[in-house]
Amino acid sequence: DAKTTQPPSMDCAEGRAANLPCNHSTISGNEYVYWYRQIHSQGPQYIIHGLKNNETNEMASLIITEDRKSSTLILPHATLRDTAVYYCIVRVLNPNTGNQFYFGTGTSLTVIP
Amino acid sequence: DVKVTQSSRYLVKRTGEKVFLECVQDMDHENMFWYRQDPGLGLRLIYFSYDVKMKEKGDIPEGYSVSREKKERFSLILESASTNQTSMYLCASSYWASGGGEQFFGPGTRLTVL
Repeated sequence: DAKTTQPPSMDCAEGRAANLPCNHSTISGNEYVYWYRQIHSQGPQYIIHGLKNNETNEMASLIITEDRKSSTLILPHATLRDTAVYYCIVRVLNPNTGNQFYFGTGTSLTVIP
Repeated sequence: DVKVTQSSRYLVKRTGEKVFLECVQDMDHENMFWYRQDPGLGLRLIYFSYDVKMKEKGDIPEGYSVSREKKERFSLILESASTNQTSMYLCASSYWASGGGEQFFGPGTRLTVL
């Protein structure tokens, strides 16, 4: 099963773009990359997901390399409320039982005023 | 909005007690999940269920059981609580979907076993 590797912590200045990297070198062709974040004392919150192509929504952009072995989550204009732990996850589709998500330990992002 | 609720935010139990953690979702999701979260270990899957009365073991099922009698409710049971089960427990639900399947999480239950 594919797993992910993320730096344990990062800092970003308020108003600047936050670029969070993730390695998933053993990912299979049909496995999606998901990003979640967890603000202290809350449950994880979905941000974005993708398979091959780059994706963008109102929260963030997801850039996936052509070989799909790594990806980057971009928060275009980080605010203090973006301080959280960000999880890069590979979703494995079990044809019988549905999705399984493999969470790592994530990256603790601190946005600095 | 999808809502996943958990019966308690904080719970304190004694070693050997039987503990029930309840999770309810209101979006008619097929899949429901129980995770535990510990510092330095991230989220680890305990059990999940893809239909009523159906269950599958996750990565760390030992010491736990689950029950899903109704689609909206998924219970995690600690038959005989131990101190190493002190943790944050998170419930999640999702549609069964080959192309998506975003998981929605509840607020978590912080369980302390004394």
